[in-house]
Amino acid sequence: QSVLTQPPSASGTPGQKITISCSGSSSNIGSNYVHWYQQLPGTAPKLLIYRNNQRPSEVPDRFSGSKSGTSASLAISGLRSEDEANYYCAGWDDSLSGPLFGGGTKLTVL
Amino acid sequence: QVQLVESGGGLVKPGGSLRLSCAASGFTFSDYYMSWIRQTPGKGLEWVSYISSNGFSRYYADSVKGRFTISRDNAKNSLYLQMNSLRAEDTAVYYCARDPNYGELDYWGQGTLVTVSS
Repeated sequence: QSVLTQPPSASGTPGQKITISCSGSSSNIGSNYVHWYQQLPGTAPKLLIYRNNQRPSEVPDRFSGSKSGTSASLAISGLRSEDEANYYCAGWDDSLSGPLFGGGTKLTVL
Repeated sequence: QVQLVESGGGLVKPGGSLRLSCAASGFTFSDYYMSWIRQTPGKGLEWVSYISSNGFSRYYADSVKGRFTISRDNAKNSLYLQMNSLRAEDTAVYYCARDPNYGELDYWGQGTLVTVSS
């Protein structure tokens, strides 16, 4: 099964703003919500952004999401060392009748 | 607080079977769809299956259709995944997750490792 397309890696320095892209198609991102998950080393994924741009209450406002057409982006401002993690986008896929995940982006804070 | 705890993983030979369990607490289990997601070592995430709140609707990824069966017992606040005819490519950490809205997986368990090897 196909995946949503993300860059495999991203990096930034403390305090910087970075963005991670996620590209899909009309059957997933183009017609359904996009969610983002953060996976710290050795832990389970955690919901970071839901319904394109909504943050769970415990997620800092340094994290934001957006969507346009069949693409979405996650932005992290004021980068911190503890943001080093893998980030996955995901969205419901109408053809799959289930959620489809991106391949993940490993964020390194230099 | 919401808690999901998986169990049942282990080492199994190709062609063998395994049953995973997920014990839920801290929320009204019978109100939510639930999903199984797996992650191969060093790789990304793959949705495996999900089940409606009442258990009547079940969906599977093509890669496991016909081999895996998802089920739930709302009286026991538990989710299950029966895995038959296991293959090496099924080796992964298996997570259960709460699914309030079409793949919006808001809580995940800690995962259980399934290794298929002779």
